[in-house]
Amino acid sequence: SQQGEEDPQALSIQEGENATMNCSYKTSINNLQWYRQNSGRGLVHLILIRSNEREKHSGRLRVTLDTSKKSSSLLITASRAADTASYFCATRPAGAGSYQLTFGKGTKLSVIP
Amino acid sequence: ETGVTQSPTHLIKTRGQQVTLRCSSQSGHNTVSWYQQALGQGPQFIFQYYREEENGRGNFPPRFSGLQFPNYSSELNVNALELDDSALYLCASSHPKLSTDTQYFGPGTRLTVL
Repeated sequence: SQQGEEDPQALSIQEGENATMNCSYKTSINNLQWYRQNSGRGLVHLILIRSNEREKHSGRLRVTLDTSKKSSSLLITASRAADTASYFCATRPAGAGSYQLTFGKGTKLSVIP
Repeated sequence: ETGVTQSPTHLIKTRGQQVTLRCSSQSGHNTVSWYQQALGQGPQFIFQYYREEENGRGNFPPRFSGLQFPNYSSELNVNALELDDSALYLCASSHPKLSTDTQYFGPGTRLTVL
């Protein structure tokens, strides 16, 4: 079952604009991660935020986490055509014995040159 | 490049057949997870292996089975293939002494069941 739900399902912006994607989840988590996938290929890890963190930055990426609302957002600033991809949030449930990740359905981002 | 490789890249099978997919982990990673990704969906966790033992399983029937070898490479076996098994199969490796929760994905095997 999908734990995370990304919003919007699809997003189209002009190059240079900022892109914001949201993720909601259902159960308590240990951490939340964002991954990127180009055209049905493998996923690339972007950033991980732990349950006791509220905001994290990595280059042009900014992630926030609100555990009271069970939600996260990913902001990509100054977007480029190369950012065109699908973006997934993934959660590691709190107390899980294994390190499985539960993914959402993803946001498909199109950056128009 | 994550250093995780998968073979084959594409595979076509017919219903009822059996298939074996292979994954070579990034050097030193002793944990491997397998995911199934249907078209337009996010990856779904199948199972995970740690030091050759299954270490967690998702909501998949027993006809999905796996192996991990001493060199940490891994196999996913699916018996009695069904049409709904058509998907991209991804393996991901991780290292317990680094960020265990960061998983490094291979490029996937696209399985089509006719």
